[in-house]
Amino acid sequence: NAGVTQTPKFQVLKTGQSMTLQCAQDMNHEYMSWYRQDPGMGLRLIHYSVGAGITDQGEVPNGYNVSRSTTEDFPLRLLSAAPSQTSVYFCASRRWGQKHSGANVLTFGAGSRLTVL
Amino acid sequence: GIQVEQSPPDLILQEGANSTLRCNFSDSVNNLQWFHQNPWGQLINLFYIPSGTKQNGRLSATTVATERYSLLYISSSQTTDSGVYFCAVLNMEYGNKLVFGAGTILRVKS
Repeated sequence: NAGVTQTPKFQVLKTGQSMTLQCAQDMNHEYMSWYRQDPGMGLRLIHYSVGAGITDQGEVPNGYNVSRSTTEDFPLRLLSAAPSQTSVYFCASRRWGQKHSGANVLTFGAGSRLTVL
Repeated sequence: GIQVEQSPPDLILQEGANSTLRCNFSDSVNNLQWFHQNPWGQLINLFYIPSGTKQNGRLSATTVATERYSLLYISSSQTTDSGVYFCAVLNMEYGNKLVFGAGTILRVKS
């Protein structure tokens, strides 16, 4: 049981380049999300999904695209990278629809450190 | 949207000391979780606690939902407790978004 797997762990891009951060989970979680972590700002939600074919915006969605074609995968796309997108990105998943259950806890991947020059 | 404030922002402890971390939130919540981020960046869930009190070893947490705050207690701190502690909350009226506070940086010295 691998949990939440993110790739790559490190990436350096030039301004204007595109790339995709991959996220996969094997826990059959309906809910998946992407956060970015910047110094002194905690984690900010970029996009999330409550199931295949359903995505929605978080707090900081501009410059990022997502899709959810399967329950397991939730890739994050940067179409034209900017230096402001230099950050550590975390994918996280949890069960969905269990309002008062301990199964609602969020499980994080190990993170992907992205630098945009 | 819902606002989350954590205090203190920074805390230095001597090994063996106790500490209390606080999380204030601006609206009612359906979900509240505490996380620990270790010095290697890994984020681990500590508690799922939208209300009430829970304990897990040297850690315990209390959420008083009616007064919109949660407390994380660390007793007999160890150097391995160092890292950043985050509180995250969700209010479904603002969408299915778990919102994080800025965190408390804890350093435990031996």
